[in-house]
Amino acid sequence: EVQLVESGGGLVQPGGSLKLSCAASGFTFSGSAIHWVRQASGKGLEWVGRIRSKAYSYATEYAASVKGRFTISRDDSKNTAYLQMNSLKTEDTAFYYCTRRYCFGTSCIEDWFDPWGQGTLVTVSS
Amino acid sequence: EIVLTQSPATLSLSPGERATLSCRASQSVSSYLAWYQQKPGQAPRLLIYDASNRATGIPARFSGSGSGTDFTLTISGLEPEDLAVYYCQQRSNWPLTFGGGTKLEIK
Repeated sequence: EVQLVESGGGLVQPGGSLKLSCAASGFTFSGSAIHWVRQASGKGLEWVGRIRSKAYSYATEYAASVKGRFTISRDDSKNTAYLQMNSLKTEDTAFYYCTRRYCFGTSCIEDWFDPWGQGTLVTVSS
Repeated sequence: EIVLTQSPATLSLSPGERATLSCRASQSVSSYLAWYQQKPGQAPRLLIYDASNRATGIPARFSGSGSGTDFTLTISGLEPEDLAVYYCQQRSNWPLTFGGGTKLEIK
């Protein structure tokens, strides 16, 4: 079974930092891009960024709202992706989900997301 | 950035009825549109991809249609378990974007 489990959320002051983890199992992690998507309480979904696989030189892309403050990395030996969040703002308060491309049978489609982790809550407040 | 506008914001229907949800893109996304279901307290789940293809395990009463800028998610024969917020998402252009969601209430 494909599974993604986020951890590392918590309460942090504005201007602070936090690092989230996304532990994966049930699929070939090293071959898959990993995305982060966030959701403020009662609000919609916002794509945060992604990291591609080694085959694509671990390329990263970010939403404009987090570019320069957030960094996505991965450790394929641990089947884990990370989201390093610096210079946090109150508007970064949200549930953060990691997810991967949708696969069915032996085929996968980039940039459709399934499954998702259960999410981890980040609260930025003084 | 492509903006996806979903309507209505809230839809209240009875079991057995048909739900029609709309997603409109600010520019053409071809058929690169997906629909997700998010039940209360849960993570989103992929329902439809490439505008009209059901994801694995999704019941046949969920169907998607459209191309270009106008898309529809239809749920035939509503069941109480369909209570959720439904989001559309495009992958035609970066950054990837989601619509604001339609909340489906079951009377």
